[in-house]
Amino acid sequence: EPEVTQTPSHQVTQMGQEVILRCVPISNHLYFYWYRQILGQKVEFLVSFYNNEISEKSEIFDDQFSVERPDGSNFTLKIRSTKLEDSAMYFCASNPPPPGSGTDTQYFGPGTRLTVL
Amino acid sequence: RKEVEQDPGPFNVPEGATVAFNCTYSNSASQSFFWYRQDCRKEPKLLMSVYSSGNEDGRFTAQLNRASQYISLLIRDSKLSDSATYLCVVTRTDNFNKFYFGSGTKLNVKP
Repeated sequence: EPEVTQTPSHQVTQMGQEVILRCVPISNHLYFYWYRQILGQKVEFLVSFYNNEISEKSEIFDDQFSVERPDGSNFTLKIRSTKLEDSAMYFCASNPPPPGSGTDTQYFGPGTRLTVL
Repeated sequence: RKEVEQDPGPFNVPEGATVAFNCTYSNSASQSFFWYRQDCRKEPKLLMSVYSSGNEDGRFTAQLNRASQYISLLIRDSKLSDSATYLCVVTRTDNFNKFYFGSGTKLNVKP
């Protein structure tokens, strides 16, 4: 069964450093997402991406964050200058294409645990 | 008011018990509804979509009440492997692609 993959599984970085989190969505999916989950808290939407551009972003997704689909398979989240409060689990997700039922169902990758020291 | 609210639990039940969770949502323009399951430090995994007429998948039954703006999940004959956090997820008609998550309800099934 196809699945979303993410690398690395765990990233440790120093405050102020740049990090890039990588995702490979399911191959025929068209919409891609990043979510984050701070330990013990709920999953929060960061950004959605469709047709090579951001379709929506949350207030969390400020100028320090960017996303890119550099080729036909990868989808990346970059944090330019990490802060302590960026420590969280970051999940990538993707949607299957329409038409058909379940097209708004999102499938999540295993996550990258980001620790900012 | 939060977009999606759930009782955090934990619900501690013996194996074989029936347990039910509710979730309320605040926006009447909510369109799609899901239950996801999340194991500790793992990704959310789709348990089931929730349809207007209610739906069942084995031991799991989901119901939607649009008038009262809540959805429910019923688990019959609980197994040890059902121990997890159950996440209520809602989308809106103005943006079906953005998932709004509840904080989750923790279930512990004990032998």
